[in-house]
Formats: sequence, C-alpha cells, structure tokens
Amino acid sequence: DAKTTQPPSMDCAEGRAANLPCNHSTISGNEYVYWYRQIHSQGPQYIIHGLKNNETNEMASLIITEDRKSSTLILPHATLRDTAVYYCIVRVAEWSSGSRLTFGEGTQLTVNP
Amino acid sequence: GAGVSQSPSNKVTEKGKDVELRCDPISGHTALYWYRQRLGQGLEFLIYFQGNSAPDKSGLPSDRFSAERTGESVSTLTIQRTQQEDSAVYLCASSLDRPTDTQYFGPGTRLTVL
Repeated sequence: DAKTTQPPSMDCAEGRAANLPCNHSTISGNEYVYWYRQIHSQGPQYIIHGLKNNETNEMASLIITEDRKSSTLILPHATLRDTAVYYCIVRVAEWSSGSRLTFGEGTQLTVNP
Repeated sequence: GAGVSQSPSNKVTEKGKDVELRCDPISGHTALYWYRQRLGQGLEFLIYFQGNSAPDKSGLPSDRFSAERTGESVSTLTIQRTQQEDSAVYLCASSLDRPTDTQYFGPGTRLTVL
C-alpha cells in the first residue's frame, strides 16, 4: 500500500473550516483515498473516500490533486465534537491483503472554542 | 439500524490465561476485520474474513492468536496464554462485499493483562 504523510497535529477555531492535508505521492492508479477519524476511546469512524474526483458528503469534502499525490480533507464548520485523530489511508480496490486499512499516525485535530 | 457490536467492552485477565473476544457484525456484511490498537498507537491489522474465502491471517502476531467466524455472522478472536504485551483495544469492523465498501467499526474491547 502507498504510504501517507500527515502533520502530527493541527488546531482550528470553532466555526472555522478545518483543512487537513495528506501526502500520498506513491499512490497507484487502483488505490482509493479514505479518511477516518477516531474520537478518544471510540472506534474509528468513516468520513469520506475518493479515487480521482473531489467528493462531498454531509460530513466533509475531499479534494484530490490532479496528479493524485496529495489530498485535503475539509470540515467546513468545525465544532468541538470534531476534535479527534484524523487518518488518511490509501487502499486498493480489490480483495487482497491490501483491502485491509493501514492506519498511520494521523493528525490530531483540536478544535478550540 | 444496529451497528457492529463487541463484547465484552472491558476484560481484565491474568497473564497466562486464555481470553475470547466476540464481534457481531452488521447484518448482511460479508467482510469482517479484526484490528488491535495499543495505547497511544495506530491500528494494527490482525485478520480478515471475506465470505467463504480462506481468511487472511497475515497480521496475527503469533500462534497464540486465532479467530473464527461462523458463516457471515459472529466472529470470535481467541488469545491463548495471554501476555502483558497483549494489552490493547481490540477493534472489529465489517463491510459489504466489495473491497472498497466502507468498514464500520465497533466500540472495541479493552483488554488488560495483569
């Protein structure tokens, strides 16, 4: 699986947009970009995923660069409940050992009042 | 609808004892995954089951670890002769039958080996 690189921590003011970057420069053509988050003492929660095009759902937006070597997760109006560790993961689109999720260190996002 | 459930939520055991951890996936999900998360660390893949295929056991750390799944339902992760380094949160996830389908996680079982 392609390796991802994320900043270890970020801060954001409540009500502002949180933009979390992820570098995945070795991503392959058949690998998707997934974002999960983990709030303290809970299981990981799916946020969004994409292959090439930008994606948006009720939780967030995912912006993938044209060369697919990096992406940004956007939480448009961060709240205190968005404080969590955010994981950027690349995953192959086939049943193999790559269909597991490989979690890196993630980014600790702290939303401040 | 009901999500992934795991039991027990907490388990304290003595070194050398065997433990069984249970996972009930979302109904209809053919894929089931086990992960381990040590304190302050990321998730570590252990094993996954997909339909009737042979499970991928490549993440199991030693032969003390084993897992079974009955059809497309309940799975049990067994750790024999527990060691202190086995202390962690054990997380289960399930998904539908495509490899890109979203994995939904349970709340985890916190295992403490004294």
